[in-house]
Amino acid sequence: SQQGEEDPQALSIQEGENATMNCSYKTSINNLQWYRQNSGRGLVHLILIRSNEREKHSGRLRVTLDTSKKSSSLLITASRAADTASYFCATVNSGNTPLVFGKGTRLSVIA
Amino acid sequence: IAGITQAPTSQILAAGRRMTLRCTQDMRHNAMYWYRQDLGLGLRLIHYSNTAGTTGKGEVPDGYSVSRANTDDFPLTLASAVPSQTSVYFCASSDQGANTGELFFGEGSRLTVL
Repeated sequence: SQQGEEDPQALSIQEGENATMNCSYKTSINNLQWYRQNSGRGLVHLILIRSNEREKHSGRLRVTLDTSKKSSSLLITASRAADTASYFCATVNSGNTPLVFGKGTRLSVIA
Repeated sequence: IAGITQAPTSQILAAGRRMTLRCTQDMRHNAMYWYRQDLGLGLRLIHYSNTAGTTGKGEVPDGYSVSRANTDDFPLTLASAVPSQTSVYFCASSDQGANTGELFFGEGSRLTVL
């Protein structure tokens, strides 16, 4: 069964607005990662946050992690039409265990 | 350009036929993975390999087999395809020495079993 669950399943916003996606997970993690998938393409790694970190930034991306609530959020600021994609969270539980992905949030940014 | 190459890009297959999806990486990553992606179900792990010569089962391994004879190649075989194996298959790799689990994905193989 999947570890991470993204919320909402789909999100539609206007260009320039901020987009927030949430991820909840079930067990203790080593790190949590966010990936992006354009339609018909493979997933691309966006950002990684370790279990001892609470917030991380990369360009227009901001990720937070609350291990007490077993949740993470991905914020995309000043969204662009090119940000339209599906976004997935994935967790690494320990050591060499494979990533477990959620079902994703489908983001549509309308120009 | 370094990365992961998957083949074929797309394939239509009759039920009962054998099919091998190929995956090659040139990043010398020790770990490789096969996921399937289905609408509404996200990505589910089929099989993985932490290093050449070893393999492990993921969440949905039934009906699939893998081998890891060397570092670069990780083929996925469907011995006798069934319609429920219609899906998009993604191969991925990671450098476990980096201890992050970050995955690098191929562009996928779209398989339709009729």
